[in-house]
Amino acid sequence: SQQGEEDPQALSIQEGENATMNCSYKTSINNLQWYRQNSGRGLVHLILIRSNEREKHSGRLRVTLDTSKKSSSLLITASRAADTASYFCATAPRVGATNKLIFGTGTLLAVQP
Amino acid sequence: GAGVSQSPSNKVTEKGKDVELRCDPISGHTALYWYRQSLGQGLEFLIYFQGNSAPDKSGLPSDRFSAERTGGSVSTLTIQRTQQEDSAVYLCASSLIPGLAAETQYFGPGTRLLVL
Repeated sequence: SQQGEEDPQALSIQEGENATMNCSYKTSINNLQWYRQNSGRGLVHLILIRSNEREKHSGRLRVTLDTSKKSSSLLITASRAADTASYFCATAPRVGATNKLIFGTGTLLAVQP
Repeated sequence: GAGVSQSPSNKVTEKGKDVELRCDPISGHTALYWYRQSLGQGLEFLIYFQGNSAPDKSGLPSDRFSAERTGGSVSTLTIQRTQQEDSAVYLCASSLIPGLAAETQYFGPGTRLLVL
């Protein structure tokens, strides 16, 4: 079963605006990752934040992590039409011996030109 | 290779037939993962390989599903006696070093399976 829940389920913004997506999870984690998916196919890794980190930046992406609230947010600044895609958070649970990822439900982002 | 590759890209089969899906991980990556993405269930973990062994098979939905990995490289996911609920996109991922919690997984383009 999925661990993560994301909101909003869908987000439509204008080019140039910022987009914020939120993710909540249930158990202790080693890290949390954000992925992007175009057209329902392969996933592209965007950014990873470790459980002892609170904020991380990569280009126009900013990720925050609040382990006390078991939540994370992904901010895309100055959005472009090419950012249109589905975005998923994925957690690597602390328990267990594998690196399997537990994915959230995803946010469908539409950036209008 | 440059990335994770999967074949076939698309597969249409009849209910009750067996199918094999193939994954070629990034060269040198010792960890390999299979996931499934379907409309009703989202993205689900199926199985994890470390080298040729599978320490975590907890996500395989039934005994009709099996997977193997040979030579620490290519992996095959086999679904026997396919059912319509097996229709989904099957995604493979690999990572460089198993056992490191912070290791990024790189995904292939997926195989879209449709069971009629």
